[in-house]
Amino acid sequence: GDSVTQTEGLVTLTKGLPVMLNCTYQTTYSPFLFWYVQHLNEAPKLLLKSSTDNKRTEHQGFYATLHKSSSSFHLQKSSVQLSDSALYFCALEGRGNYKYVFGAGTRLKVIA
Amino acid sequence: DMKVTQMPRYLIKRMGENVLLECGQDMSHETMYWYRQDPGLGLQLIYISYDVDSNSEGDIPKGYRVSRKKREHFSLILDSAKTNQTSVYFCASRPGGANTGQLYFGEGSKLTVL
Repeated sequence: GDSVTQTEGLVTLTKGLPVMLNCTYQTTYSPFLFWYVQHLNEAPKLLLKSSTDNKRTEHQGFYATLHKSSSSFHLQKSSVQLSDSALYFCALEGRGNYKYVFGAGTRLKVIA
Repeated sequence: DMKVTQMPRYLIKRMGENVLLECGQDMSHETMYWYRQDPGLGLQLIYISYDVDSNSEGDIPKGYRVSRKKREHFSLILDSAKTNQTSVYFCASRPGGANTGQLYFGEGSKLTVL
């Protein structure tokens, strides 16, 4: 079945530095990938989404490019802020059944 | 205003008691979900509902059942709760159609089973 892998459980960075959170996936369908962000004690919210190969998508300073050749959808930001501290989930929508598969999540901690 | 509302937000139950978690949405979305969130495991799908009385098991349905009698309302029921069902439960909804993507999440219901 479909699966999503996020390799980092915790990433700690000093503000102003760049970040890349890894996401790889497996599916037999045409992929539709998402990044959700969850701040402490809040609901997950959509950050980015894409189903277009090799096209960069951006929102709130974050960006990601879906690469079907490597089954990846890594999340990046050029300069992290304290307010970016949150839990980030990569998710894959299974085609035809509207079932989403989530990765385990990566906690980003930004320190001053 | 697009909103998914969950009740109750916090709940403490004893093992063996029944639990009812309720979810409502005001967007007329056909598809609704129940997930549980545990540290290191991400969000795990319990049940998906494609519309009224059209429910399908997710990845971890054991110990849970659902009810959807109105499009805007989706309930999660735990008959005889167990301590390993202590978790944060999220309801979500999705607009219809392909490539419309995103889930809209409620704020979660934190359940503790003693």
